[in-house]
Amino acid sequence: GQQLNQSPQSMFIQEGEDVSMNCTSSSIFNTWLWYKQDPGEGPVLLIALYKAGELTSNGRLTAQFGITRKDSFLNISASIPSDVGIYFCAGQSGAGGTSYGKLTFGQGTILTVHP
Amino acid sequence: GAVVSQHPSWVICKSGTSVKIECRSLDFQATTMFWYRQFPKQSLMLMATSNEGSKATYEQGVEKDKFLINHASLTLSTLTVTSAHPEDSSFYICSARETSGSSNEQFFGPGTRLTVL
Repeated sequence: GQQLNQSPQSMFIQEGEDVSMNCTSSSIFNTWLWYKQDPGEGPVLLIALYKAGELTSNGRLTAQFGITRKDSFLNISASIPSDVGIYFCAGQSGAGGTSYGKLTFGQGTILTVHP
Repeated sequence: GAVVSQHPSWVICKSGTSVKIECRSLDFQATTMFWYRQFPKQSLMLMATSNEGSKATYEQGVEKDKFLINHASLTLSTLTVTSAHPEDSSFYICSARETSGSSNEQFFGPGTRLTVL
């Protein structure tokens, strides 16, 4: 099936540093989403992007929907210890057909923040 | 709002037994729910799409006779792992999409950890 390439796989940073991660796909998606997952829990939506070229912020988080609709990035500024977790990108298929609304997840980026 | 629960949160069973996992949308109706499986340090992989009142749609490679899905009401979908084996041990996560919502947003449950001995 479809796959998203997410990088980097892991990051070890100092508190206060900025973080950037990205996803690329061979397929076009109508929506790009970024999730954070804490150990033993389900993913929580951070940012949703609905339009090619869209740049959206949510507090210290900023994400962009690539113009080609095949990529997206997430930036976290001024990281804090509670940013620790696994971050996933996900592409969502558009209307129509059996793939309607389905999410395809990237491999995840494990973020460790040292105080 | 938009809370999804799963029960149980964890389960340990013997090989060969069947295990049922429930997914409930607590404060909204969900015509469509999704079931994912996540192995340690890996991504979420969609197993099937569950539609209220109709048969589930399974992803390629997922055995429908082994992973039985029942979506009998607008707030409940169940996943039954039949004749479980150690290789079925995984983290199972469901999500629900609001029936009346204008967006496609999926709300995720907290997951169920299955360990098969």
